[in-house]
Amino acid sequence: DADVTQTPRNRITKTGKRIMLECSQTKGHDRMYWYRQDPGLGLRLIYYSFDVKDINKGEISDGYSVSRQAQAKFSLSLESAIPNQTALYFCATSDLGRSDEQFFGPGTRLTVL
Amino acid sequence: QKEVEQNSGPLSVPEGAIASLNCTYSDRGSQSFFWYRQYSGKSPELIMFIYSNGDKEDGRFTAQLNKASQYVSLLIRDSQPSDSATYLCAVPPRGGSYIPTFGRGTSLIVHP
Repeated sequence: DADVTQTPRNRITKTGKRIMLECSQTKGHDRMYWYRQDPGLGLRLIYYSFDVKDINKGEISDGYSVSRQAQAKFSLSLESAIPNQTALYFCATSDLGRSDEQFFGPGTRLTVL
Repeated sequence: QKEVEQNSGPLSVPEGAIASLNCTYSDRGSQSFFWYRQYSGKSPELIMFIYSNGDKEDGRFTAQLNKASQYVSLLIRDSQPSDSATYLCAVPPRGGSYIPTFGRGTSLIVHP
């Protein structure tokens, strides 16, 4: 089935560690996004990419970096994790020209100790 | 800056009642709107899309759009405990923006 997958699904790490969250999609969509979600704060956009050569910062990009390795793969890195990056992270895709519906991956629950 | 506002709730309704969820938006030029449902710990999923004034019905769900007053509502008839979730209102990208705008969501609790 066409889908958006994320790995890992859960991760516990320590302050200062580098961590990478990966996202893959089989929907053939060009647009990919990384969000974080915190209780009471809703979804906040970290980075987005409209094709392999196009990377854009979202509203909360500080402390994060991304890599678009292929149309189907979009990775999020925390170079030096800190406790306030503890959150639920979602990757999403969309296909401009249709309804702009966002298709979300299952999420990665990240805990930084 | 576009804004989408929702009451965070929780909105508590008894099983079988009508749940009414509301969303207001600041960009008068917005043409279409999404409603996503998100169960606790899960990812959001699209349940309704509306782009014209008036009502759009899909099963027990009705979306209502009033562009003059800049609000969009989601009605859930015959609410079930399985409808308990957070409902996110969202505006697709338009104009010079290339990213959607999400509200913070309203938590709905349907109690037996």
